[in-house]
Amino acid sequence: EVQLVESGGGLVQPGRSLRLSCAASGFRFDDFAMHWVRQAPGRGLEWVAGISWSRRDIDYADSVKGRFTISRDNGKNSLYLQMNSLRPEDTALYYCARCWGYNSFFEHWGQGTLVTVSS
Amino acid sequence: DIQMTQSPSSLSASVGDRVTITCRASQGISNYLAWYQQKPGDVPKLLIYDASTLQSGVPSRFSGSGSGTDFTLTISSLQPEDVATYYCQKYNSAPLTFGGGTKVEIK
Repeated sequence: EVQLVESGGGLVQPGRSLRLSCAASGFRFDDFAMHWVRQAPGRGLEWVAGISWSRRDIDYADSVKGRFTISRDNGKNSLYLQMNSLRPEDTALYYCARCWGYNSFFEHWGQGTLVTVSS
Repeated sequence: DIQMTQSPSSLSASVGDRVTITCRASQGISNYLAWYQQKPGDVPKLLIYDASTLQSGVPSRFSGSGSGTDFTLTISSLQPEDVATYYCQKYNSAPLTFGGGTKVEIK
C-alpha cells in the first residue's frame, strides 16, 4: 500500500525557515516524481513544487520561487521542502503527492502537515 | 502561464440529478487534464485523468470529456456521498495549475 507521511509543520514567525519532510513507503520511491501541493485554510489547491525521480527536473510556483527548495533522498525514500523567508500567505496544509510521470496528475496524496506563519 | 477557470464555483442539486462542471484553460492543453474530488476534511482524490479516463475504483457515474481548452466533469446521477469540492488540474507542463474549485451540495 502506498503511504506518504508528511512531517515538520508548525507555527513559525514571518521571515523564519521551516523544513518539511515526506516519508514514502509501499512503492519504489526512485521510480516516481514527487510534488508538494498546498491548501490555505478554506481555500483551493495550489501546486508548489515538483522534482523528478532523478532530480534532473525541478520546478516551482512563482509564489515560492527563490524562497523554497524541493529535494529528495532516494536512499531514504524521502521528499523534502526547505521553506525560507516565510510569509503569512504561506500558511497552509502542505501535501506531498506522487505523480505518474514528472508533469502529471497526482495519484496518491499524504494527509498533509500544517504550516502556520504568524507573529 | 496557463490559467484554469472552473464554473460554477458552487452548485446545489437534488439526489439523482445530472451535474456538470466546466473547466476552461486559457490556452490549449490537449487532454492533459485531471479531476479531483475533495470531501470536507479529507485529502483530494483523483477521479479522472487524461480528460476522460476514470481512475480505478471510481464509480461509473463520474465521467469526463473535452480536449484543447474546454473540459467537463459530469456526475450522471448525484448521490449524497458526492458532496465535495471538485478541482480540475492541467499537467501538460509546469506550473501544474489547479482550477479554483466547484463546491457541490445537495438541495
